[in-house]
Amino acid sequence: EVQLLESGGDLVQPGGSLRLSCAASGFTFRNYAMSWVRQAPGEGLEWVSAISTSVGTTYYADSVKGRFTIARDDSKSTLYLLMNSLRAEDTAVYYCAKLVEVATGTKPFPAYWGQGTLVTVSS
Amino acid sequence: EIVLTQSPGTLSLSPGERATLSCRARQSVSSSYLAWYQQKPGQAPRLLIHGASSRATGIPDRFSGSGSGTDFTLTISRLEPEDFAVYYCLQYGSSPLTFGGGTKVEI
Repeated sequence: EVQLLESGGDLVQPGGSLRLSCAASGFTFRNYAMSWVRQAPGEGLEWVSAISTSVGTTYYADSVKGRFTIARDDSKSTLYLLMNSLRAEDTAVYYCAKLVEVATGTKPFPAYWGQGTLVTVSS
Repeated sequence: EIVLTQSPGTLSLSPGERATLSCRARQSVSSSYLAWYQQKPGQAPRLLIHGASSRATGIPDRFSGSGSGTDFTLTISRLEPEDFAVYYCLQYGSSPLTFGGGTKVEI
């Protein structure tokens, strides 16, 4: 059974930093691209970032580019999101998601989600 | 980026009724790379449909997806009490991935 367990969410002041973690189990982590998606309180879903397998090519939403860094440690089956220069508008539940392709060469989509971790940016 | 607009914002229906949710893109979604998710309060999103019309594993056949290009539809043939939730569409054919604003299906 696929399990994704996020941690690291906290209350942080504007301009501060935070590192989120997502511990994966139930599948061969190194074989799958992974992503972060966030949801501000009472709002919709917003894709944040993604990382491919092996080479680890990274992708970012414009709203976080230059401030957030996605990374993975395949030896620990763990996904990370390093968040710097945090702003009030970064306040959200952050979900980790496993990306799945239906066939080799097709585009992957978020198929499995963790329960999320809350980041609150406030003074 | 591809902007997705979902309508209606809220759908008020009764159990047993048919629900039709729309997701419209400002530009064509390549290869029908469109997915639908269900989210209940306090829970993570749950994948229902991918590739515009393929049901995810374990999803009941009362859920169906259709469409291509810029117009996509999620249909729930007969609403069950557990189907009252918020539904989101997602295009994953081009970066950045983008979600629609959601449709709330309420009793």
